[in-house]
Amino acid sequence: DAKTTQPNSMESNEEEPVHLPCNHSTISGTDYIHWYRQLPSQGPEYVIHGLTSNVNNRMASLAIAEDRKSSTLILHRATLRDAAVYYCILRDSSYKLIFGSGTRLLVRP
Amino acid sequence: GAVVSQHPSWVICKSGTSVKIECRSLDFQATTMFWYRQFPKQSLMLMATSNEGSKATYEQGVEKDKFLINHASLTLSTLTVTSAHPEDSSFYICSAPPGLDYNEQFFGPGTRLTVL
Repeated sequence: DAKTTQPNSMESNEEEPVHLPCNHSTISGTDYIHWYRQLPSQGPEYVIHGLTSNVNNRMASLAIAEDRKSSTLILHRATLRDAAVYYCILRDSSYKLIFGSGTRLLVRP
Repeated sequence: GAVVSQHPSWVICKSGTSVKIECRSLDFQATTMFWYRQFPKQSLMLMATSNEGSKATYEQGVEKDKFLINHASLTLSTLTVTSAHPEDSSFYICSAPPGLDYNEQFFGPGTRLTVL
Protein backbone atom coordinates (compact mmCIF):
# COMPACT_ATOMS: atom_id res chain seq x y z
CA ASP A 1 0.00 0.00 0.00
CA ALA A 2 1.29 3.44 -0.88
CA LYS A 3 2.16 5.56 2.12
CA THR A 4 1.35 9.12 3.03
CA THR A 5 3.20 11.46 5.37
CA GLN A 6 1.41 14.18 7.30
CA PRO A 7 2.43 16.49 10.15
CA ASN A 8 1.24 15.18 13.51
CA SER A 9 -0.56 18.38 14.39
CA MET A 10 -1.36 21.87 13.19
CA GLU A 11 -3.00 24.89 14.70
CA SER A 12 -5.15 27.57 13.15
CA ASN A 13 -7.17 30.56 14.20
CA GLU A 14 -10.89 30.54 13.69
CA GLU A 15 -12.08 32.04 10.39
CA GLU A 16 -8.61 31.83 8.87
CA PRO A 17 -7.64 29.48 6.02
CA VAL A 18 -5.88 26.24 6.84
CA HIS A 19 -3.54 24.34 4.55
CA LEU A 20 -3.00 20.72 5.52
CA PRO A 21 -0.10 19.13 3.62
CA CYS A 22 0.35 15.51 2.61
CA ASN A 23 3.32 13.85 0.96
CA HIS A 24 2.86 10.71 -1.10
CA SER A 25 6.03 10.29 -3.10
CA THR A 26 5.33 6.62 -3.96
CA ILE A 27 1.90 7.26 -5.43
CA SER A 28 1.08 5.23 -8.52
CA GLY A 29 -0.68 6.53 -11.58
CA THR A 30 -4.03 5.01 -10.66
CA ASP A 31 -4.11 5.92 -6.96
CA TYR A 32 -6.78 8.40 -5.92
CA ILE A 33 -6.01 10.90 -3.17
CA HIS A 34 -8.69 10.90 -0.50
CA TRP A 35 -9.17 13.02 2.59
CA TYR A 36 -11.30 12.04 5.54
CA ARG A 37 -11.62 13.63 8.95
CA GLN A 38 -12.56 12.21 12.30
CA LEU A 39 -14.05 14.07 15.21
CA PRO A 40 -13.54 12.61 18.70
CA SER A 41 -15.45 9.39 19.35
CA GLN A 42 -17.02 9.40 15.90
CA GLY A 43 -16.52 7.55 12.67
CA PRO A 44 -14.54 9.29 9.92
CA GLU A 45 -16.27 11.62 7.51
CA TYR A 46 -15.47 12.01 3.82
CA VAL A 47 -14.03 15.39 2.92
CA ILE A 48 -12.80 15.32 -0.66
CA HIS A 49 -10.91 13.27 -3.22
CA GLY A 50 -9.06 13.78 -6.48
CA LEU A 51 -6.84 12.12 -9.04
CA THR A 52 -4.87 14.75 -10.95
CA SER A 53 -6.77 18.02 -11.08
CA ASN A 54 -7.54 20.35 -8.21
CA VAL A 55 -10.98 19.81 -6.71
CA ASN A 56 -13.42 21.97 -4.86
CA ASN A 57 -16.53 21.08 -2.89
CA ARG A 58 -18.62 22.68 -0.19
CA MET A 59 -16.30 21.51 2.55
CA ALA A 60 -12.83 22.11 1.18
CA SER A 61 -10.47 22.35 -1.75
CA LEU A 62 -7.82 19.86 -2.75
CA ALA A 63 -4.69 21.08 -4.47
CA ILE A 64 -2.65 18.33 -6.13
CA ALA A 65 0.94 18.88 -7.19
CA GLU A 66 1.70 18.46 -10.85
CA ASP A 67 3.87 15.38 -10.17
CA ARG A 68 1.20 14.09 -7.77
CA LYS A 69 3.79 13.43 -5.09
CA SER A 70 2.08 15.80 -2.68
CA SER A 71 -1.28 17.41 -2.07
CA THR A 72 -2.80 20.02 0.19
CA LEU A 73 -6.22 20.12 1.77
CA ILE A 74 -7.47 23.67 2.09
CA LEU A 75 -10.14 24.73 4.53
CA HIS A 76 -11.01 28.24 3.45
CA ARG A 77 -12.33 29.52 6.78
CA ALA A 78 -11.70 27.27 9.73
CA THR A 79 -14.39 26.99 12.37
CA LEU A 80 -14.28 25.36 15.75
CA ARG A 81 -16.25 22.46 14.29
CA ASP A 82 -13.36 21.76 11.92
CA ALA A 83 -11.15 20.65 14.82
CA ALA A 84 -10.51 17.00 14.02
CA VAL A 85 -7.93 14.51 12.83
CA TYR A 86 -7.51 14.78 9.08
CA TYR A 87 -6.39 11.72 7.16
CA CYS A 88 -4.80 11.78 3.73
CA ILE A 89 -5.24 8.37 2.10
CA LEU A 90 -4.23 6.86 -1.21
CA ARG A 91 -6.93 4.58 -2.56
CA ASP A 92 -5.91 1.97 -5.09
CA SER A 93 -8.05 -0.27 -7.23
CA SER A 94 -8.86 -2.50 -4.27
CA TYR A 95 -11.06 0.29 -2.87
CA LYS A 96 -9.66 -0.28 0.59
CA LEU A 97 -8.81 2.78 2.67
CA ILE A 98 -5.58 2.37 4.61
CA PHE A 99 -5.39 5.08 7.25
CA GLY A 100 -2.11 6.67 8.29
CA SER A 101 -1.57 8.64 11.47
CA GLY A 102 -3.24 11.83 10.21
CA THR A 103 -2.93 15.46 11.28
CA ARG A 104 -4.68 16.69 14.39
CA LEU A 105 -6.04 20.17 13.66
CA LEU A 106 -6.57 22.52 16.56
CA VAL A 107 -8.66 25.61 15.89
CA ARG A 108 -8.23 28.52 18.26
CA PRO A 109 -11.21 30.81 18.85
CA GLY B 1 -25.96 12.07 2.47
CA ALA B 2 -26.05 8.33 2.91
CA VAL B 3 -26.23 6.97 6.43
CA VAL B 4 -24.54 4.01 8.04
CA SER B 5 -25.60 2.94 11.50
CA GLN B 6 -24.02 0.64 14.04
CA HIS B 7 -25.54 -1.22 16.93
CA PRO B 8 -24.83 -1.18 19.75
CA SER B 9 -23.01 2.11 20.21
CA TRP B 10 -21.23 0.69 23.21
CA VAL B 11 -21.05 -2.67 24.95
CA ILE B 12 -19.42 -4.01 28.08
CA CYS B 13 -18.94 -7.75 28.39
CA LYS B 14 -17.13 -10.29 30.50
CA SER B 15 -13.99 -11.98 29.30
CA GLY B 16 -14.74 -15.13 27.34
CA THR B 17 -18.10 -14.06 26.00
CA SER B 18 -18.93 -13.25 22.38
CA VAL B 19 -20.21 -9.92 21.17
CA LYS B 20 -22.02 -9.16 17.93
CA ILE B 21 -21.84 -5.73 16.31
CA GLU B 22 -24.20 -4.77 13.51
CA CYS B 23 -23.50 -2.39 10.64
CA ARG B 24 -26.41 -1.23 8.51
CA SER B 25 -26.62 0.95 5.44
CA LEU B 26 -29.89 2.78 5.97
CA ASP B 27 -30.67 4.29 2.59
CA PHE B 28 -28.48 2.46 0.09
CA GLN B 29 -27.37 -1.03 -0.73
CA ALA B 30 -23.81 -2.06 -0.04
CA THR B 31 -22.35 -5.17 -1.58
CA THR B 32 -19.13 -4.40 0.24
CA MET B 33 -18.54 -3.14 3.74
CA PHE B 34 -15.34 -2.65 5.64
CA TRP B 35 -14.56 -3.21 9.31
CA TYR B 36 -11.95 -1.22 11.22
CA ARG B 37 -10.60 -1.22 14.74
CA GLN B 38 -9.21 1.83 16.51
CA PHE B 39 -7.32 1.82 19.79
CA PRO B 40 -7.17 5.00 21.90
CA LYS B 41 -5.08 7.77 20.35
CA GLN B 42 -4.30 5.59 17.34
CA SER B 43 -5.43 5.55 13.75
CA LEU B 44 -7.99 3.22 12.23
CA MET B 45 -6.75 -0.22 11.27
CA LEU B 46 -8.56 -2.07 8.52
CA MET B 47 -9.55 -5.52 9.74
CA ALA B 48 -11.52 -7.05 6.88
CA THR B 49 -13.65 -6.56 3.82
CA SER B 50 -17.17 -7.90 4.12
CA ASN B 51 -18.72 -9.14 0.87
CA GLU B 52 -22.42 -9.80 0.47
CA GLY B 53 -23.03 -13.42 -0.42
CA SER B 54 -19.44 -14.55 -0.01
CA LYS B 55 -16.73 -14.92 2.56
CA ALA B 56 -15.05 -11.93 4.08
CA THR B 57 -11.43 -11.21 3.26
CA TYR B 58 -9.23 -10.45 6.22
CA GLU B 59 -6.16 -8.26 6.46
CA GLN B 60 -2.88 -9.83 7.39
CA GLY B 61 -2.64 -10.55 11.09
CA VAL B 62 -6.39 -10.51 11.75
CA GLU B 63 -7.72 -13.82 13.06
CA LYS B 64 -10.73 -14.81 11.01
CA ASP B 65 -11.88 -17.35 13.58
CA LYS B 66 -11.91 -14.71 16.27
CA PHE B 67 -13.57 -11.95 14.28
CA LEU B 68 -16.46 -13.57 12.43
CA ILE B 69 -18.02 -11.50 9.70
CA ASN B 70 -21.36 -12.21 8.07
CA HIS B 71 -22.76 -10.06 5.27
CA ALA B 72 -26.29 -11.40 5.34
CA SER B 73 -27.94 -8.86 3.06
CA LEU B 74 -27.19 -5.81 0.96
CA THR B 75 -27.80 -3.58 3.96
CA LEU B 76 -26.39 -5.55 6.89
CA SER B 77 -22.98 -6.81 7.93
CA THR B 78 -22.19 -8.20 11.37
CA LEU B 79 -18.92 -8.56 13.21
CA THR B 80 -18.81 -11.08 16.03
CA VAL B 81 -15.90 -10.92 18.43
CA THR B 82 -15.69 -14.46 19.78
CA SER B 83 -14.30 -15.28 23.21
CA ALA B 84 -13.51 -11.65 23.82
CA HIS B 85 -10.60 -10.70 26.07
CA PRO B 86 -9.55 -7.35 27.53
CA GLU B 87 -7.08 -6.81 24.70
CA ASP B 88 -10.04 -6.83 22.28
CA SER B 89 -11.39 -3.70 23.94
CA SER B 90 -11.44 -1.10 21.18
CA PHE B 91 -13.54 1.17 19.00
CA TYR B 92 -14.97 -0.84 16.09
CA ILE B 93 -16.07 1.09 13.03
CA CYS B 94 -17.65 -0.04 9.78
CA SER B 95 -17.86 1.72 6.45
CA ALA B 96 -19.70 1.22 3.22
CA PRO B 97 -19.37 2.73 -0.24
CA PRO B 98 -22.76 3.49 -1.77
CA GLY B 99 -23.41 1.34 -4.80
CA LEU B 100 -20.59 1.19 -7.29
CA ASP B 101 -19.11 4.53 -6.27
CA TYR B 102 -16.15 3.74 -4.10
CA ASN B 103 -14.91 7.30 -4.12
CA GLU B 104 -16.88 8.24 -1.04
CA GLN B 105 -17.30 5.81 1.80
CA PHE B 106 -19.75 6.37 4.60
CA PHE B 107 -18.67 5.41 8.06
CA GLY B 108 -20.77 4.28 10.95
CA PRO B 109 -20.58 6.07 14.30
CA GLY B 110 -18.56 3.26 15.83
CA THR B 111 -19.08 0.73 18.62
CA ARG B 112 -17.01 0.95 21.76
CA LEU B 113 -16.30 -2.50 23.16
CA THR B 114 -15.02 -2.91 26.70
CA VAL B 115 -14.11 -6.39 27.85
CA LEU B 116 -13.75 -6.80 31.59
